[in-house]
Amino acid sequence: DVKVTQSSRYLVKRTGEKVFLECVQDMDHENMFWYRQDPGLGLRLIYFSYDVKMKEKGDIPEGYSVSREKKERFSLILESASTNQTSMYLCASSLSAGPQHFGDGTRLSIL
Amino acid sequence: EDQVTQSPEALRLQEGESSSLNCSYTVSGLRGLFWYRQDPGKGPEFLFTLYSAGEEKEKERLKATLTKKESFLHITAPKPEDSATYLCAVPISGAGSYQLTFGKGTKLSVIP
Repeated sequence: DVKVTQSSRYLVKRTGEKVFLECVQDMDHENMFWYRQDPGLGLRLIYFSYDVKMKEKGDIPEGYSVSREKKERFSLILESASTNQTSMYLCASSLSAGPQHFGDGTRLSIL
Repeated sequence: EDQVTQSPEALRLQEGESSSLNCSYTVSGLRGLFWYRQDPGKGPEFLFTLYSAGEEKEKERLKATLTKKESFLHITAPKPEDSATYLCAVPISGAGSYQLTFGKGTKLSVIP
């Protein structure tokens, strides 16, 4: 079974802080993704990566950056957290154009 | 533009009352359609992949079917534990693209 692990289930941070969300997958998938999910808006893609050190912007990259130094790990960085970044953050991985497999999410609150 | 539309937005069923969820899509050159189940506060859990019209997949009380324009998730004799939000997704158009377009989901509630 594919296992995608997100480092925190719940996180509370203050505005202006730099926030790191970590994601690790154990299936040697080349593709990894970061989404945020908000009520009524569905899943929105922030960034994705199709190889180590490669990244592509998704639909809503503003205020975020990513890092992929190793194949199994994909990090999402909030450069200077703001209250409108309070959300559920979901990491996923996939092999080629196959289905994406998701972690359990990080519920992030910015105060 | 690639689009995925799910209906209804919400569905309440009595335990044992069978029904279907709909996922309609517009995409050039379908390269698969994926169904997911999402429980509150958790990430989506992959259920099925369908690749071609006429294909069917089953898992317990769930059966997914695919036509050229839509997919259905049939739920037979549902139980309260089937309550969840069901999402469908398709790969966006474009060779080599790995991104998915998701529908907004159908929230299913099964009442005992």
